[in-house]
Amino acid sequence: GENVEQHPSTLSVQEGDSAVIKCTYSDSASNYFPWYKQELGKRPQLIIDIRSNVGEKKDQRIAVTLNKTAKHFSLHITETQPEDSAVYFCAASNAGTGRRALTFGSGTRLQVQP
Amino acid sequence: DGGITQSPKYLFRKEGQNVTLSCEQNLNHDAMYWYRQDPGQGLRLIYYSQIVNDFQKGDIAEGYSVSREKKESFPLTVTSAQKNPTAFYLCASSDDGGSPLHFGNGTRLTVT
Repeated sequence: GENVEQHPSTLSVQEGDSAVIKCTYSDSASNYFPWYKQELGKRPQLIIDIRSNVGEKKDQRIAVTLNKTAKHFSLHITETQPEDSAVYFCAASNAGTGRRALTFGSGTRLQVQP
Repeated sequence: DGGITQSPKYLFRKEGQNVTLSCEQNLNHDAMYWYRQDPGQGLRLIYYSQIVNDFQKGDIAEGYSVSREKKESFPLTVTSAQKNPTAFYLCASSDDGGSPLHFGNGTRLTVT
């Protein structure tokens, strides 16, 4: 089955700096890659997703890049703000056949220092 | 107001008792999922269902059971066979496996 590894487990940046979180996946058939943000005690919320037919997607300060050959994808947050502090999860699934359920990484705790 | 409702928010049980966690959605989604979250860990898939009257085991199904008799409902039973049931349980739904998940607010289960 799919295995998703996520690094780093914790990340501390200064306000205004950029943050990068990286994930690798094992199943070459995976074709859907979302990122979720989870604030303390709350449910995960989708922040951005990418499908395997594109290499990059951007939404304001957030961007995701995908390298299908290397089987890794990354989340980039620019101009970080204190409200970006949360746990971020990457995930992968095969939206076509087989197990059509997301496999999640172990999470990255991002702390933005004011 | 569309969404996913999980109840209760907090649940306490004695060891050896079965307990059922409720999950209801009014988003008209075909697929529903149960994930378990332990402190400092990611979300691990327990069971999922892509259509009514059908469901599949996830990565950590042992000690759990589900049913999908209605499109809107996907209850999870934590049985006494689950060795370490204390955790945060999240229910989610989506149009299909390649669509964003919508999560409920979760149920925090404590077994003593």
